[in-house]
Amino acid sequence: DGGITQSPKYLFRKEGQNVTLSCEQNLNHDAMYWYRQDPGQGLRLIYYSQIVNDFQKGDIAEGYSVSREKKESFPLTVTSAQKNPTAFYLCASSPDGANTGELFFGEGSRLTVL
Amino acid sequence: EDQVTQSPEALRLQEGESSSLNCSYTVSGLRGLFWYRQDPGKGPEFLFTLYSAGEEKEKERLKATLTKKESFLHITAPKPEDSATYLCAVRTMDSSYKLIFGSGTRLLVRP
Repeated sequence: DGGITQSPKYLFRKEGQNVTLSCEQNLNHDAMYWYRQDPGQGLRLIYYSQIVNDFQKGDIAEGYSVSREKKESFPLTVTSAQKNPTAFYLCASSPDGANTGELFFGEGSRLTVL
Repeated sequence: EDQVTQSPEALRLQEGESSSLNCSYTVSGLRGLFWYRQDPGKGPEFLFTLYSAGEEKEKERLKATLTKKESFLHITAPKPEDSATYLCAVRTMDSSYKLIFGSGTRLLVRP
């Protein structure tokens, strides 16, 4: 089945460690996104990528990094510079980023800093 | 500043009790308004796109409407399986690829 796969579903990290969240899609979509969701708040955009080897910062990019070496993959690294990394992270894709609000989301990765 | 506000934060209904969820927006220029459903611990699932005032979309027990300042998600005769968080998002003329999300309405439908 086509879709977006995020892994791991749950992740625990010690302070000072970098962690990488995986996002893979087999929908052949050009655009991919990373959002962060905190209780009582709307989804906030971390990074987005419209094509391979290109990506732009969203509203809360500090402390995060991404790469887009393949169309199917858009991993997110949460670095030790991110001061409050505990959150639910959502990856999404869309066939044409600028012309649609229909995003296809993965199941999410919940990161907890111990 | 572009802003999306959803109300109420939480809503409890009895099965069959119809109601509406509100999404008000303040944006420089609306390019589209979108409704999503999110189940606990899952990613959001797309429901509707609305582009212009007066537009309506329907899907099963859900109907979304749009005015120049707000959108409503009407739920007719809800069932327990309609329990979820409903998210509203907008795309503005300036934001290109970015969606601005509201904080959602948590709906609980009791049998």
